Amino acid sequence: SAVISQKPSRDICQRGTSLTIQCQVDSQVTMMFWYRQQPGQSLTLIATANQGSEATYESGFVIDKFPISRPNLTFSTLTVSNMSPEDSSIYLCSASTGAGNYGYTFGSGTRLTVV
Amino acid sequence: AQSVTQLDSQVPVFEEAPVELRCNYSSSVSVYLFWYVQYPNQGLQLLLKYLSGSTLVKGINGFEAEFNKSQTSFHLRKPSVHISDTAEYFCAVRTIQGAQKLVFGQGTRLTINP
Repeated sequence: SAVISQKPSRDICQRGTSLTIQCQVDSQVTMMFWYRQQPGQSLTLIATANQGSEATYESGFVIDKFPISRPNLTFSTLTVSNMSPEDSSIYLCSASTGAGNYGYTFGSGTRLTVV
Repeated sequence: AQSVTQLDSQVPVFEEAPVELRCNYSSSVSVYLFWYVQYPNQGLQLLLKYLSGSTLVKGINGFEAEFNKSQTSFHLRKPSVHISDTAEYFCAVRTIQGAQKLVFGQGTRLTINP
């Protein structure tokens, strides 16, 4: 199955700054997803990223705060903008893979701490 | 919209004992079902999935799950757990048609005691 390389693995950032997280997949995938996992919580979908079109955001998430790029079928970035301590979370990317897209591969996550 | 409820936030068991992690889902349409495991400071790893066919699904590391459509459940079981099974377990669903996004349950922290 596909392998996703996600970086950085962790970062400590100052409030008011932005961080861009990158995910590289070792094969072409149609759909990529970005999740947030707050401390001790489950995964919440931020947006779905399709190549060649704008990302589709879930309720409660907006493009100005979490701009996403999907320039090709193997790469995507998520930017966390104008960060506050409430943005401290683990951010994970995922891709639907396999025949029929019934498989999902996850990156290892980015642990973000905003101070 | 779909939703997933994992009935136990924490499950402590002794090593070599059996375990069941419960998952119930809600959906007005047919769904696919998944169980993922997350070890500390790692991403998610697929344990097993139900797409169609036999309702008893076998996965990696000796885990299995049974799909029960009438009870809208997909409970995960292992007959004998090991210390290395200590992790967070997530149940997830996606609809067969439409968006391919996964909806996750709240997670169950499985702790294996010696």
